[in-house]
Amino acid sequence: AQSVTQPDIHITVSEGASLELRCNYSYGATPYLFWYVQSPGQGLQLLLKYFSGDTLVQGIKGFEAEFKRSQSSFNLRKPSVHWSDAAEYFCAVESSNSGYALNFGKGTSLLVTP
Amino acid sequence: DTAVSQTPKYLVTQMGNDKSIKCEQNLGHDTMYWYKQDSKKFLKIMFSYNNKELIINETVPNRFSPKSPDKAHLNLHINSLELGDSAVYFCASSRRPGAGKSSYEQYFGPGTRLTVT
Repeated sequence: AQSVTQPDIHITVSEGASLELRCNYSYGATPYLFWYVQSPGQGLQLLLKYFSGDTLVQGIKGFEAEFKRSQSSFNLRKPSVHWSDAAEYFCAVESSNSGYALNFGKGTSLLVTP
Repeated sequence: DTAVSQTPKYLVTQMGNDKSIKCEQNLGHDTMYWYKQDSKKFLKIMFSYNNKELIINETVPNRFSPKSPDKAHLNLHINSLELGDSAVYFCASSRRPGAGKSSYEQYFGPGTRLTVT
């Protein structure tokens, strides 16, 4: 089954610093990949998605992600982090054998320090 | 306008009770989902449903059942609630991809925090 791994449970960055959150997927063909963000007590908001084509995808709030087939990765990046980016970030892959439901990674909790 | 809404936002109940969580989407989507987020924030699919097909995650107890009165609603019924059912439940919806076409993103509701005492 398609799955994703987020190796980092917690990440702390200083405001204004760059950010990279890691995501590795397990799937034979080209996966459909997503990054979602969850602020405390809130639902999930889609940051960006990759279906095909250009391997560098742009999302909302200044985020981007790069699909690298050779490394089975879909890492999320942001050049300059704002305090409001503190949240839980989830990488997900669509699962064709679950009615197109999403298989989520365990999430990375981002803390932003002044 | 809220795209995917859930009621109630909070639900506190005792073990053994039966409860329902409602979900409505006004996006015209034909596929809806229920996810469970546990205390460690891990999200797991419970059900995927459109008007033709219900796909159940095999790990979901049969005390949980989705019911869809129409395409815009997918309610979650839970019988004989247990302590381990305490979690946040998210409803989501999407368009269903046709054969050979790209997938579509899922839109999530705000979640329902269920606490079983």
